[in-house]
Amino acid sequence: DQQVKQNSPSLSVQEGRISILNCDYTNSMFDYFLWYKKYPAEGPTFLISISSIKDKNEDGRFTVFLNKSAKHLSLHIVPSQPGDSAVYFCAATGSYGKLTFGQGTILTVHP
Amino acid sequence: EAQVTQNPRYLITVTGKKLTVTCSQNMNHEYMSWYRQDPGLGLRQIYYSMNVEVTDKGDVPEGYKVSRKEKRNFPLILESPSPNQTSLYFCASRIAGGQLYTQYFGPGTRLTVL
Repeated sequence: DQQVKQNSPSLSVQEGRISILNCDYTNSMFDYFLWYKKYPAEGPTFLISISSIKDKNEDGRFTVFLNKSAKHLSLHIVPSQPGDSAVYFCAATGSYGKLTFGQGTILTVHP
Repeated sequence: EAQVTQNPRYLITVTGKKLTVTCSQNMNHEYMSWYRQDPGLGLRQIYYSMNVEVTDKGDVPEGYKVSRKEKRNFPLILESPSPNQTSLYFCASRIAGGQLYTQYFGPGTRLTVL
């Protein structure tokens, strides 16, 4: 059973516009959420995270929003740049510290 | 430079031929783990190790073995590979008890089992 779901396999956006990547989870024990970015032929790298005690965390062009009642989080990238084109993984964890990943969303930002 | 290295990066093999994928980190991290990435399934944890000589199963351990004889190395062993183990494999490491965002991933090993 997929406890973390990214229902959009791909997303295409024009440079300068906003990219919104979505993630849903089912396990109410998850209390910490992360986004990873992965370029081809490289390993995933940490992008941004949010604790369940917050509903928003911002880092430059990247903002993560958490809606606990809906068990939903989203990653906003504003403005999007061609270098943001990558696979984005949502991940979640509870107190046990094990990461559960979503399926990933391929973001393509067109110049 | 802090890094996690994996070898080989690409491997094509045949069913039943034992193979080992090596993983090494230079950050003195206690915690290491192996993941596999498959289309539509994301990354799933295979095995993890909290420290030398301490290993445990992740979500998909069947068909895999690991060992942790030294802190820096965490090899993944496939005793009798099968086609369903064709996948992209990642090794990762972090400080035990450290924040998860400090986890470093290796570059990946693409394995094809014919």
